[in-house]
Amino acid sequence: KAGVTQTPRYLIKTRGQQVTLSCSPISGHRSVSWYQQTPGQGLQFLFEYFSETQRNKGNFPGRFSGRQFSNSRSEMNVSTLELGDSALYLCASSASTPRSEKLFFGSGTQLSVL
Amino acid sequence: KNQVEQSPQSLIILEGKNCTLQCNYTVSPFSNLRWYKQDTGRGPVSLTIMTFSENTKSNRRYTATLDADTKQSSLHITASQLSDSASYICVVSARQAGTALIFGKGTTLSVSS
Repeated sequence: KAGVTQTPRYLIKTRGQQVTLSCSPISGHRSVSWYQQTPGQGLQFLFEYFSETQRNKGNFPGRFSGRQFSNSRSEMNVSTLELGDSALYLCASSASTPRSEKLFFGSGTQLSVL
Repeated sequence: KNQVEQSPQSLIILEGKNCTLQCNYTVSPFSNLRWYKQDTGRGPVSLTIMTFSENTKSNRRYTATLDADTKQSSLHITASQLSDSASYICVVSARQAGTALIFGKGTTLSVSS
């Protein structure tokens, strides 16, 4: 069974640009959640999608958005990039809710904002 | 405020030795506690998930314990190997509306030969 796939693996952008990250969950998983990981803050929850609906959202500005498609694949978008957005962005999939189910993480997208 | 604190921040041990990582939390109402291993440049991988009623859970050389009364958990690694070098993250799930996963900042373990 294929794991969670995130693309691209690395991204370099400049301030003010926007970026779209992609996540393909494990087959059969309907929940996809996104996380930002930085050395100083550790892992922080961004948002979660289930059956194409955003179910929960973390404490991030509106520049961070996402969506989920009917095949459960998800995309995350960050507009007007800032230097502080440089981080490893991880997505995770689970059968139902991340709160009770085991999470399977992808390898992440390393975003560098210059 | 829901928080998860891990100690030590980093640890260096010799190959073959045992070690114990600590996790203290102030999450309420508690649902479950998880330990993840994250290799450099990779996503976290689940080691154990424990609910309120579980005191101990093992996964190969990893043994996690949970004391729900004192709100403490530990991860014991037996006979460490070089491949155990990684960051170990404690995550506590709150039984409430919303995703409510609270992450610790992790303990970085380095195993040397």
